[in-house]
Amino acid sequence: EPEVTQTPSHQVTQMGQEVILRCVPISNHLYFYWYRQILGQKVEFLVSFYNNEISEKSEIFDDQFSVERPDGSNFTLKIRSTKLEDSAMYFCASSFSQGALGMNTEAFFGQGTRLTVV
Amino acid sequence: AQSVTQLGSHVSVSEGALVLLRCNYSSSVPPYLFWYVQYPNQGLQLLLKYTSAATLVKGINGFEAEFKKSETSFHLTKPSAHMSDAAEYFCAISLGGNKLTFGGGTRVLVKP
Repeated sequence: EPEVTQTPSHQVTQMGQEVILRCVPISNHLYFYWYRQILGQKVEFLVSFYNNEISEKSEIFDDQFSVERPDGSNFTLKIRSTKLEDSAMYFCASSFSQGALGMNTEAFFGQGTRLTVV
Repeated sequence: AQSVTQLGSHVSVSEGALVLLRCNYSSSVPPYLFWYVQYPNQGLQLLLKYTSAATLVKGINGFEAEFKKSETSFHLTKPSAHMSDAAEYFCAISLGGNKLTFGGGTRVLVKP
């Protein structure tokens, strides 16, 4: 069964360092997302990406964050200068479509990357 | 803006007993509603979804949920809990796009 894969599963970084979280979405999917879950809190939407551009982003997704689909298969989230409060589980997701009828709109999630900023 | 509230962050059930997880939503337009499950050290897996067709939705692993517009609810049930149902369950809402807004999650413990 096709799945979304994320690497690495765990990442420890020093405050102020740049990190890149990597995701390989399901191959025929067109919409890509990043969510995060700070320990003990809700899963929060960060950004959605379609047709090589951001289609929606939350207020969390400030100038420190960026996303890219560099080669048609990978989807990356970059945090330019990490802060302690960026420590969280980051989930990548993908879906085939985004439609009012709800058909094939199921988002498939990866297993997440646990980012720890020290 | 939409929001989701899950009543009870932890639920403990005996094996074989009914599982009932509560979800209430707030939305200004007809929503799409989802239940996801997260097993330990795994990602989020879709259990079921409501997309304005039948109000009673059946999902995987024997779970089902009923959309009740009058109560703005989408509670998740399973008639008989199994040990393998121990996990965290998330209710989520979407307003036609795919951006999901999640509830706080309910962790289910199944006692033998």
